[in-house]
Amino acid sequence: AQTVTQSQPEMSVQEAETVTLSCTYDTSESNYYLFWYKQPPSRQMILVIRQEAYKQQNATENRFSVNFQKAAKSFSLKISDSQLGDTAMYFCAFMKPYNNNDMRFGAGTRLTVKP
Amino acid sequence: NAGVTQTPKFQVLKTGQSMTLQCAQDMNHNSMYWYRQDPGMGLRLIYYSASEGTTDKGEVPNGYNVSRLNKREFSLRLESAAPSQTSVYFCASSEGPRGQGIDGYTFGSGTRLTVV
Repeated sequence: AQTVTQSQPEMSVQEAETVTLSCTYDTSESNYYLFWYKQPPSRQMILVIRQEAYKQQNATENRFSVNFQKAAKSFSLKISDSQLGDTAMYFCAFMKPYNNNDMRFGAGTRLTVKP
Repeated sequence: NAGVTQTPKFQVLKTGQSMTLQCAQDMNHNSMYWYRQDPGMGLRLIYYSASEGTTDKGEVPNGYNVSRLNKREFSLRLESAAPSQTSVYFCASSEGPRGQGIDGYTFGSGTRLTVV
């Protein structure tokens, strides 16, 4: 079974600075998807960014980008120009496509952006 | 707005009581899922329904049952609630097994359940 590990339970960053959240995963699959979800205090799960394993180019969404290292099975999230609204739990997730599409999540990293 | 609707948002149960969490989606998705979220453990899959008429166990199915009532609705039932089932429960949906899944999940807003 696939496992997802987020080794940083909590992190903090000053407003306007850059922070990187780590994620590693374990799989024998060659084709899969990786996701980062944000969960603010409202509890809503919000998709931040996604990466297809067969694409070498790292995904980018505005201030959010990933560093995808397939051989190392690493998928880190970089947040640039951090904003107070980025304060949230962040979950890394793994999905194998064309199956049941069940998603496996890491334990999460609580990010606090300080003014 | 299109999405996943979960009810109730909050619930307190006494040990041994039963209840059903309701979930409905209006995106014509084939697959639906129930997760529980506990501190330090992320989200863990309880049950899923890959398509209408099918249900399967996830990582932590004990103490739960599910019903895929139709394509839109997927309910989660606790027959005899225990304090260990105190958690936040999320329903989610996705395109389905014939789809690539690249859009990920659409989540409901969650149910905070406390069993005393």
